[in-house]
Amino acid sequence: QVLLVQAGPALQKPGASVRVSCRASGYTFTSYGISWVRQAPGQGLEWLGWISTYSGNTNLGQKFRDRLTMTTDTSTATVYMDLRGLTSDDTALYYCARDAVRGTYAGYWGQGTLVTVSS
Amino acid sequence: DIVMTQTPVSSSVTLGQPASISCRSSQSLEHSDGNTYLSWLQQRPGQPPRLLIYEISKRFSGVPDRFSGSGAGTDFTLTITRVEAEDVGLYYCMQNTHFPHTFGQGTKVEIK
Repeated sequence: QVLLVQAGPALQKPGASVRVSCRASGYTFTSYGISWVRQAPGQGLEWLGWISTYSGNTNLGQKFRDRLTMTTDTSTATVYMDLRGLTSDDTALYYCARDAVRGTYAGYWGQGTLVTVSS
Repeated sequence: DIVMTQTPVSSSVTLGQPASISCRSSQSLEHSDGNTYLSWLQQRPGQPPRLLIYEISKRFSGVPDRFSGSGAGTDFTLTITRVEAEDVGLYYCMQNTHFPHTFGQGTKVEIK
């Protein structure tokens, strides 16, 4: 079955960077893209961006474009999200989610990675 | 960016009774390919979101048939025909038609 396993929680200081990983299994990795969505404590869902695991092309939210990078490693079926210049506003649960079917994104979700930004 | 507006913010429902949630987008979600990429997600307490409905009205794998979606253009509705205890949680609409993808603010469903 489709499984997305995310790395454990991270605690970072303001101004630092964080890398969140998402390892996929149970399907052909390069056939479906991956979205990243975050949820601040007690808040709703916020879309960060999407990466094609086939080509590596990305579509990133304008708000994050200057400090967000998404990459893919097909040898390990893993997608990475790197966020730089962290502030306390970046404290959130970060989810990866696989495309569902053509045109529909975020069909299968990882369990989330809690990123806490605190001095 | 497309703004997605959900109503109500919260809904208290008696077990076995219906519930509906509305979602309005700030512009049409019809894609140039003719499809409308409007999804509904459920988030149970302490869980990641789960895709329920895609392309307005198609139930995703494993979703019970008491969940249904309808609408077109800019107005959409999620209906639960008979609410069960396991339906408690937050519900989000999401548009996949245009980048950046955007979500509604969420609707909390609880049991009365």
